[in-house]
Amino acid sequence: GAVVSQHPSWVICKSGTSVKIECRSLDFQATTMFWYRQFPKQSLMLMATSNEGSKATYEQGVEKDKFLINHASLTLSTLTVTSAHPEDSSFYICSARDLRGSNTGELFFGEGSRLTVL
Amino acid sequence: AQSVTQLGSHVSVSEGALVLLRCNYSSSVPPYLFWYVQYPNQGLQLLLKYTSAATLVKGINGFEAEFKKSETSFHLTKPSAHMSDAAEYFCAVSDGFNKFYFGSGTKLNVKP
Repeated sequence: GAVVSQHPSWVICKSGTSVKIECRSLDFQATTMFWYRQFPKQSLMLMATSNEGSKATYEQGVEKDKFLINHASLTLSTLTVTSAHPEDSSFYICSARDLRGSNTGELFFGEGSRLTVL
Repeated sequence: AQSVTQLGSHVSVSEGALVLLRCNYSSSVPPYLFWYVQYPNQGLQLLLKYTSAATLVKGINGFEAEFKKSETSFHLTKPSAHMSDAAEYFCAVSDGFNKFYFGSGTKLNVKP
């Protein structure tokens, strides 16, 4: 299957700082990527849909000024958590669709990034 | 609108026993259905998918799922559990090219 890679896998930062998480599609081009947040022992919550070359679409209740998304190329989307606070600590996962060939649009997920804000 | 319900947040089976993880969906259009597995501190890996072809879908690691439209179900099964199957499993529904909706997840524990 297609490969989606996230970096960093783990990040610890001080409260008030900003953290950038990268999501790359390694062997395919992704015009759309998705960012999810997963709280402990819970399912994935869709935060936003990242569109290459245009503004991201945020889900209701997600602060777009807090979670900045940039999708500057067909293989890279970034999520920046601005002025992070302890309540932003979570597991962030990106995903992308590979629509080549016989793929029917299932999501391929990155490895996830665990953010801990002190 | 689509939604997914996974019955049982925790399932425990003995090694070698049948695994059955339940998933019911609601969808206003013919759905695409998926099962993903997540190991601790990792992303999700696709186990199998239903996309309106055969109703019995075989996936990786010996898992399979059957799409039953009359029951709006897509339960995941494996005849014989292995210790390495211990993980969290998510059922998801999509209308094909828009958003995915995930169930709340079922954590599978395999006892020796």
